[in-house]
Amino acid sequence: SQQGEEDPQALSIQEGENATMNCSYKTSINNLQWYRQNSGRGLVHLILIRSNEREKHSGRLRVTLDTSKKSSSLLITASRAADTASYFCATDDTGFQKLVFGTGTRLLVSP
Amino acid sequence: ETGVTQTPRHLVMGMTNKKSLKCEQHLGHNAMYWYKQSAKKPLELMFVYSLEERVENNSVPSRFSPECPNSSHLFLHLHTLQPEDSALYLCASSPGFTGAKNIQYFGAGTRLSVL
Repeated sequence: SQQGEEDPQALSIQEGENATMNCSYKTSINNLQWYRQNSGRGLVHLILIRSNEREKHSGRLRVTLDTSKKSSSLLITASRAADTASYFCATDDTGFQKLVFGTGTRLLVSP
Repeated sequence: ETGVTQTPRHLVMGMTNKKSLKCEQHLGHNAMYWYKQSAKKPLELMFVYSLEERVENNSVPSRFSPECPNSSHLFLHLHTLQPEDSALYLCASSPGFTGAKNIQYFGAGTRLSVL
């Protein structure tokens, strides 16, 4: 079954604003990852957060994880036009450790 | 560049054609994957290889046939495809399957159109 579902499906903001994307999943996980995909290209790994972590930072990215609610959020601060992309969360399947990806959030950052 | 190279980038084929997609990684990773990405659908895992051995096949139709001759190369052989098989096909690799080793590195994909 599908693990991650992102919300919102699409987000449009101005440069300099913050962008927040949410991910919900259904079963217990070991790790949750966020990936970014520019239009028609491959996915690029952004950040991994372990199930025993609550918050993690990487540059302008801040990820939170709430295992009790089975949810995660990705915050991009001071967004830039170059941040325009689709963002996916991916959770590991504890049975085999394969990643299950959500449907993604399409982010548009206008100059 | 992620270290994973896919060729060709674009492919148009008829339903009776036979073609192959190629993926190459020189990251020293032990796991390689094929994914299918269709519009408005989640990324679908098709095949997983661990050190050249297929470890997962997610009920993929037999018109898709993977091949992993060594740990650096992965192929997806296509034959008698259907128009609904048109999609972006992504190859990925990872060091392993647990924890941070499960961080996947993707190629740029092959955009396949079946006429």
